[in-house]
Amino acid sequence: GAVVSQHPSRVICKSGTSVKIECRSLDFQATTMFWYRQFPKQSLMLMATSNEGSKATYEQGVEKDKFLINHASLTLSTLTVTSAHPEDSSFYICSARVWNTEAFFGQGTRLTVV
Amino acid sequence: DQQVKQNSPSLSVQEGRISILNCDYTNSMFDYFLWYKKYPAEGPTFLISISSIKDKNEDGRFTVFLNKSAKHLSLHIVPSQPGDSAVYFCLFQGAQKLVFGQGTRLTINP
Repeated sequence: GAVVSQHPSRVICKSGTSVKIECRSLDFQATTMFWYRQFPKQSLMLMATSNEGSKATYEQGVEKDKFLINHASLTLSTLTVTSAHPEDSSFYICSARVWNTEAFFGQGTRLTVV
Repeated sequence: DQQVKQNSPSLSVQEGRISILNCDYTNSMFDYFLWYKKYPAEGPTFLISISSIKDKNEDGRFTVFLNKSAKHLSLHIVPSQPGDSAVYFCLFQGAQKLVFGQGTRLTINP
């Protein structure tokens, strides 16, 4: 099946710094990419949806200035957590899709802000 | 605005028996319905899907049922195996949106 690669799988950063997470579709061109966040023992919460070449659409309650999403090509989307704080520590997962097909998920990134 | 409800946070089933996982939804604009399995600290893995024009789809031990009038989606696993123990999420797809259910932790007992 299609592969979505997410990098890094784990990152620890200091409070106040920024962290970039990459999501790549390795063998297909993703028209749409999604970013999710999962808190412990909770469901995956959709943060934003992005289409190549256009601005991301953020879900209600998600700070667009804090979670910067760039979808520069059909195979790459990035999520940058700016000025990270301990409450941003979470598990972030990206997903990629070609039109109305099934979504393929990355392996996830465990972010710990200390 | 909770568009998707996966009401059972956990389910325990005897090995060899049928596991039935359920989701209810409110948004009629969803047109594609999927089930995923997830282990801790990993991304979700696709299991099976169904489009809104069908009411049943089968793949090996997994069968997905869609009842559009009741806005209800279910996943049947039979026979259940110990390796099926995981958290299962339903995922609803509409225009430019993917929405997950809250997840059900399935435990298969030997």
